[in-house]
Amino acid sequence: SQQGEEDPQALSIQEGENATMNCSYKTSINNLQWYRQNSGRGLVHLILIRSNEREKHSGRLRVTLDTSKKSSSLLITASRAADTASYFCATDARRDDKIIFGKGTRLHILP
Amino acid sequence: DAGVTQSPTHLIKTRGQHVTLRCSPISGHKSVSWYQQVLGQGPQFIFQYYEKEERGRGNFPDRFSARQFPNYSSELNVNALLLGDSALYLCASSLWGRGTEAFFGQGTRLTVV
Repeated sequence: SQQGEEDPQALSIQEGENATMNCSYKTSINNLQWYRQNSGRGLVHLILIRSNEREKHSGRLRVTLDTSKKSSSLLITASRAADTASYFCATDARRDDKIIFGKGTRLHILP
Repeated sequence: DAGVTQSPTHLIKTRGQHVTLRCSPISGHKSVSWYQQVLGQGPQFIFQYYEKEERGRGNFPDRFSARQFPNYSSELNVNALLLGDSALYLCASSLWGRGTEAFFGQGTRLTVV
């Protein structure tokens, strides 16, 4: 079974609004990464957050990590049409060298 | 700087055939990972290599194999292709594997007919 599970599976919001996506995982991790994928092509790395970090920012992106709840959230502020994409979280488990992706959240920004 | 490059971009094969996919990592990166992504799903981990040694393997049959060369490029081989092997195959490179950011190529779209 997959380590990460994103929630919601799909999200539609108006341009300019904030978008929040959540990721839950099952086992202890070294770090968690968020990626964006447009039209089923290559993934673009957004942010890496380590297990000893609680929050990271990058431009309009804010990621939080709660290791006690085994969950992470990705916030995109002031959304734009170009943010329309699928977003995935990927976890790097402590027990092995696998990086496990969730099924993703499909974000659609409405004009 | 060139990013991760994968070849070919698209490929059509017949059931039972063999396929080789290629990946060139970002210069200076020593780790390469392979993923399979079926439409509508997240990428599934297949292999990770670091310094030419296998560091991790996902739940894929032995028909899937890979190797990493001295220049850190990598090949993914799939034997006895099945219709279910049709997917986007993604390669990612990173400095030294776990704990470092992974950068993805655009993928190879494999269709098995």
